[in-house]
Amino acid sequence: GDSVTQMEGPVTLSEEAFLTINCTYTATGYPSLFWYVQYPGEGLQLLLKATKADDKGSNKGFEATYRKETTSFHLEKGSVQVSDSAVYFCALSDRRGFKTIFGAGTRLFVKA
Amino acid sequence: DTEVTQTPKHLVMGMTNKKSLKCEQHMGHRAMYWYKQKAKKPPELMFVYSYEKLSINESVPSRFSPECPNSSLLNLHLHALQPEDSALYLCASSQGLAGAGHNGQFFGPGTRLTVL
Repeated sequence: GDSVTQMEGPVTLSEEAFLTINCTYTATGYPSLFWYVQYPGEGLQLLLKATKADDKGSNKGFEATYRKETTSFHLEKGSVQVSDSAVYFCALSDRRGFKTIFGAGTRLFVKA
Repeated sequence: DTEVTQTPKHLVMGMTNKKSLKCEQHMGHRAMYWYKQKAKKPPELMFVYSYEKLSINESVPSRFSPECPNSSLLNLHLHALQPEDSALYLCASSQGLAGAGHNGQFFGPGTRLTVL
C-alpha cells in the first residue's frame, strides 16, 4: 500500500540555520503531496502542496519539490526562526482523496 | 471564513459517561473527517463523510458514533470509552473527497479528551 517515510527527529537548529526535512513516498499512480505543520497545542495546518511531478510548493519561506524520479518531497527553508518550532508531517493523497497518508512527523526545535 | 471550529477544547469523562464532540465549518466543504491523534504520532483516520453520508469507517469501535446533521456540522458521540481512548480528536474538512487530493484538508484545533 501507499506509505510516507520521514526522517526521524527531533531536529535541533539555531536561528537562521538552513533546514531540510527529508520525505520519501511509495504510491501507485500519481499522488498529490503535502506538508502539514502542527504547532504545540494546535491542529494541523496545510503548509504547502504539489499535485504533479516537478511542481514546487512554497509558503512562508518553506519550499518542497515533487520529484517523481526519486519519489521524494523534501522540505527546505533557508533561514529558520524560533517560531518555526513545531512538528512537520509529510503526507500524500491519491487523486480521489479517499485517504491521506501521513508520515510519522518530524519535530523541529529552533534555538535563539 | 476559512476556519474549522471544534468544541469543547478539553473534555474529561468517566468510562460510563456519554458526551459529544462538535465540529463546524462554513467554507462550503462537502467532505468532513474525524481523526484521532495520540501524543507524538500522526493523525489516524476514523471516519469520512461525503455529502453528509458516511463514506469511510476505519473499523472504529462502536463506542464512537459519528453524525453529520448537515453539510456544516459534524458530531462524534462518545459512550463507554476506555482510558486508552484518551487522545486529541481532530476534525477536518475539504472541498470534496477529490478536493482533499488536490487542495489538502483544513483542520480544526482539536478536542483534548481524557478518559478516567
